[in-house]
Amino acid sequence: AQSVTQLDSQVPVFEEAPVELRCNYSSSVSVYLFWYVQYPNQGLQLLLKYLSGSTLVESINGFEAEFNKSQTSFHLRKPSVHISDTAEYFCAVSVNAGGTSYGKLTFGQGTILTVHP
Amino acid sequence: GAVVSQHPSWVICKSGTSVKIECRSLDFQATTMFWYRQFPKQSLMLMATSNEGSKATYEQGVEKDKFLINHASLTLSTLTVTSAHPEDSSFYICSAREGLTGSYEQYFGPGTRLTVT
Repeated sequence: AQSVTQLDSQVPVFEEAPVELRCNYSSSVSVYLFWYVQYPNQGLQLLLKYLSGSTLVESINGFEAEFNKSQTSFHLRKPSVHISDTAEYFCAVSVNAGGTSYGKLTFGQGTILTVHP
Repeated sequence: GAVVSQHPSWVICKSGTSVKIECRSLDFQATTMFWYRQFPKQSLMLMATSNEGSKATYEQGVEKDKFLINHASLTLSTLTVTSAHPEDSSFYICSAREGLTGSYEQYFGPGTRLTVT
């Protein structure tokens, strides 16, 4: 079975400061990795994903995450945050396998990012 | 982009009654749909996976007779909470994936807030 740990439940930062949201996972097989964002009163939206290839993946709004297999991590970073980045962020893994496990997502506990002016 | 809707967005029902939640993929055919529940300040927990035209696969600990899932078409899945009790109060979220292989991306609905009184 897989598990995902988001080490920080809440991260407060000031606007234009850098931020890192930490995510570690555990799995006995290879995985795909995702970050989702949930704005207040909205559904989850995919922020970025790692399936294969370059271990550094980027989103269109300035976030990036790096897959580190040796440390089983997929931390999310942004060099300069905006007020509008205030949301809850979920890290998730999906097993790279077929059968009944195909495509099932296991989520971390979520990290609430609050950007202060 | 791919859009998933849920109806209703919130519902209040009395203990012992049943309530049905609909999940629709609006602009793509969803071969697979997933149902999650999210308790306050907690992560999403997968309840079941449904493939169009076949029985849903429930996660361990989820009562299939209480949470009836029907995926009758490629654009619609329903979750019926039967004989609801206050402990069933939660935020129910569906997601949909197009195709059986390839893309692991799931598109999430906005969720349904169920309150059982």
